[in-house]
Amino acid sequence: AQSVAQPEDQVNVAEGNPLTVKCTYSVSGNPYLFWYVQYPNRGLQFLLKYITGDNLVKGSYGFEAEFNKSQTSFHLKKPSALVSDSSLYFCAVRPTGGFKTIFGAGTRLFVKA
Amino acid sequence: EAQVTQNPRYLITVTGKKLTVTCSQNMNHEYMSWYRQDPGLGLRQIYYSMNVEVTDKGDVPEGYKVSRKEKRNFPLILESPSPNQTSLYFCASSLRGSRGAGVSYEQYFGPGTRLTVT
Repeated sequence: AQSVAQPEDQVNVAEGNPLTVKCTYSVSGNPYLFWYVQYPNRGLQFLLKYITGDNLVKGSYGFEAEFNKSQTSFHLKKPSALVSDSSLYFCAVRPTGGFKTIFGAGTRLFVKA
Repeated sequence: EAQVTQNPRYLITVTGKKLTVTCSQNMNHEYMSWYRQDPGLGLRQIYYSMNVEVTDKGDVPEGYKVSRKEKRNFPLILESPSPNQTSLYFCASSLRGSRGAGVSYEQYFGPGTRLTVT
C-alpha cells in the first residue's frame, strides 16, 4: 500500500537553530513530492515541491527540502528557524502519472524564542 | 485575487439530513479535490476531478458524492450524514498538466469547512 510517514508528531527547536521535519514515503516509481504548511484556522499553503532534477529544492519563506531516492525521503529543512515558523507541516506525495494525493499525518513545529 | 472558496465555513447538523458543501475556484484549474482532516490522520482524499464531468474516488469516498458540471465548482454532497463524518473538510484545486504525466502542480486550498454531525 502506498503511504507517507512523518515519524515525528512534534519537533521543538530554538529560534536561530536549524530545523528538520522528516518525511519518508512508500510509493512505486518516481513520485512528485510536496510540502505544505497549515496555519491556525486556515487552509494549507504550498511551500515547495520536487518533480525532477536537483535533489535540493528551495521554496517559500527560506525553506528547502532534500530528496533522497535511495532512502525514499524528502525532509524539510531551514537553516535558521523563526518563531513565526511554528505551525503544522504536511508532506504529500503524488505517484507519477497519477491523480491521487497521499498526505502524511503532519508534524507540529514549535520554535521557541 | 486567486482563491478557492468554500461554504459554509461551519456547519452543525443531525444524522441523516442531507447537506452540500460548495467549493469554487477562480483560477481556471482543471483539477479539483476534496479532503478530510482528522487528528493524527492528516488529510485523506475523498474524491477528485480531472476536469468537467470527470471524477474519481480517493481513499475515503464512502458516504460522499461529488459532481463537476462546471469547471469552477466542485460541490461535496453528504446524502445521509453520520457522526463519523464529523471532520474538517478542505477543497483544493490545481492545474492538471499534460496527459500521462499526472498532476505535478501544487494545490491551492480553501479555508476549510468544519462539519459536526450529531
